[in-house]
Amino acid sequence: ELKVEQNPLFLSMQEGKNYTIYCNYSTTSDRLYWYRQDPGKSLESLFVLLSNGAVKQEGRLMASLDTKARLSTLHITAAVHDLSATYFCAVGPQAGNNRKLIWGLGTSLAVNP
Amino acid sequence: DAGVTQSPTHLIKTRGQQVTLRCSPKSGHDTVSWYQQALGQGPQFIFQYYEEEERQRGNFPDRFSGHQFPNYSSELNVNALLLGDSALYLCASSLGPRGETQYFGPGTRLLVL
Repeated sequence: ELKVEQNPLFLSMQEGKNYTIYCNYSTTSDRLYWYRQDPGKSLESLFVLLSNGAVKQEGRLMASLDTKARLSTLHITAAVHDLSATYFCAVGPQAGNNRKLIWGLGTSLAVNP
Repeated sequence: DAGVTQSPTHLIKTRGQQVTLRCSPKSGHDTVSWYQQALGQGPQFIFQYYEEEERQRGNFPDRFSGHQFPNYSSELNVNALLLGDSALYLCASSLGPRGETQYFGPGTRLLVL
């Protein structure tokens, strides 16, 4: 069964610093998602990574996918307080099939002044 | 362009009762997936509806059932509620069961006493 592991689960960082969140998954998949969730709120789609070597950037966030290593990273550059949230990665179990996304536990990020 | 909507936003029930949650997908989307998110956890896939049929199901008992209507909206029904059913229930919509991205509604927070 597909398993998705994120680390770290908790991250406290200072504004202006850089950091990376890691997402490992256990079986082959060519579709990986990153979502953001603010406390008490729903999930906001950040990135969809569809192929090996895919890299996407939006503002201070950059996501990449290595399907051979079964690893995705979410890199935060020069963090600001507004980035404080929980970040989830989710993986589809089969190629081209998003019927059953398997989710990591999430990384709770706190950016401090 | 209306996003995914869910009702009600909050609900309090007692053990043994039954509950119905509702979801309207994003305009133009025809596929609805339901997730359960316990506090501090990632979402767990319940099931997905497409063309008014349940297309795939996660590891949830038969107490969890659903329906999709011709206008693509969907209901999630939970019978014989247990304390452990307390969670945030999220609905996500996509274009087709292989749609690239799922868009999430605000969720229904269910508390079972």
